[in-house]
Amino acid sequence: GQQLNQSPQSMFIQEGEDVSMNCTSSSIFNTWLWYKQDPGEGPVLLIALYKAGELTSNGRLTAQFGITRKDSFLNISASIPSDVGIYFCAGPGQGAQKLVFGQGTRLTINP
Amino acid sequence: DGGITQSPKYLFRKEGQNVTLSCEQNLNHDAMYWYRQDPGQGLRLIYYSQIVNDFQKGDIAEGYSVSREKKESFPLTVTSAQKNPTAFYLCASSMLAGNEQFFGPGTRLTVL
Repeated sequence: GQQLNQSPQSMFIQEGEDVSMNCTSSSIFNTWLWYKQDPGEGPVLLIALYKAGELTSNGRLTAQFGITRKDSFLNISASIPSDVGIYFCAGPGQGAQKLVFGQGTRLTINP
Repeated sequence: DGGITQSPKYLFRKEGQNVTLSCEQNLNHDAMYWYRQDPGQGLRLIYYSQIVNDFQKGDIAEGYSVSREKKESFPLTVTSAQKNPTAFYLCASSMLAGNEQFFGPGTRLTVL
């Protein structure tokens, strides 16, 4: 079945640093979604991308829909402690009945 | 306020007992989903429902059952046949199947 591969699996950074993570697939996706999950909570939708090449920002977060439609990138600028959590990418699976999720990138910030 | 509610937040059960987790949404969404998350892991789909009175198995349906009698509600029963039920359970909904999903706060189930 379809799979989404997220990289890196975990990141340990200093407060104030910029963060980059990506999500790749062997098949084409028509929509890319980025979620953040705080510890012990449900994931929250951060950014939705619908068009190849699209670049969308949400505050300090910027996400891009790759031109090949097989990848997407999420950048966080000037990280702060509340950015800690797990970031998931997702997209509609074959048949578009459900979403396929990546395994997540766990972000840890040292103050 | 529109949203998804899951109750309770924490649930403890003895081994061998069935337990039902609640999920309610007032977003008027057609599709609803149940996921399981183990510590340090991603989301695994248990069951999903695209419309009332219809549901499909996800990737790890064994030992679980669901019903969808009302649009707003999608309860999940963890049966005694589930060999390792202790986990964090997340419910989600979307306007239509395959669209952006919105998640509830989750229920942490511990089987003693």
